[in-house]
Amino acid sequence: EIMMTQSPVTLSVSPGESATLSCRANQSINSDLAWYQQKHGQAPRLLIYGASTRATGVPARFSGSASGTEFTLTISSLQSGDFAVYYCQQYNAWPLAFGGGTKVETK
Amino acid sequence: DVQLVQSGGGLVQPGGSLRLSCAASGFIFDDYTMHWVRQVPGKGLEWVSLISWDGSKTEYADSVKGRFTVSRDNSRNSVHLQMNSLRTEDSALYFCAKDCGGACLSVWLFDSWGPGTVVTVSS
Repeated sequence: EIMMTQSPVTLSVSPGESATLSCRANQSINSDLAWYQQKHGQAPRLLIYGASTRATGVPARFSGSASGTEFTLTISSLQSGDFAVYYCQQYNAWPLAFGGGTKVETK
Repeated sequence: DVQLVQSGGGLVQPGGSLRLSCAASGFIFDDYTMHWVRQVPGKGLEWVSLISWDGSKTEYADSVKGRFTVSRDNSRNSVHLQMNSLRTEDSALYFCAKDCGGACLSVWLFDSWGPGTVVTVSS
C-alpha cells in the first residue's frame, strides 16, 4: 500500500513570501501526484496534477515539482486567499491515498 | 459549470444504515468515473469508493469494503453510496467527487467536489 507523508504539518508564512510544501511517497508513483487546496468549510480544489501541471484557472504562483518519490508544491508571493490546508494525493495505485495535509498559516 | 448536489446524511446508530446521494449537472455524467471521499472534522481526506462511468467497475477502501456499496443511475445523473453496518469511526463529512478523466490525462483524481454531507454514527 502506498503511503503519502506531508511535511511540515504547519507552515507559518508572511503574505508576499514563498511557501514550500513537501510530499513523499513510500514507493514509486511516477508522476501520478495531485495537489489540492482546502479552505476552511469548503471542499478541496484541484491545483496540480501530473506532479507539475496546473489545473484550469490555477494561478502561476502555484508550481509543482518532483524528484523520485519526493514532490514539492511551491506557492510564490503568498496572497491572503492562499492560507489554507494543502493535500497531496497519489493516483498511481490502489488504494488511492492522500497525505495528512500541510496547513499554511499567516505568520 | 459542474454542480454536485449532495443529500442523505444524518445521525444514525451504530450498526445502522444510510444512503448518500449526489446529483450531478453541467457535464456529460456518463463519461466520468465518480468517487466518494470522506473527512473526519479537523482531519485529513480519505478516499472511500469509486464507480466507473458505466458502473461495471467499483473499488472500495479496505475500511469500508463489504459494508458500503456504490451505485449510479446514468439516466438520472446521480451516484449513491449505501452505507450499512455503520461504525462510530465512519462519522465524517462525505464528499462526492468527479474524476478528472481526460482533462488531466489520467484518472482517479478529482477535479470537482460536492459540498459534502455529514454522517454521524452515534448511540
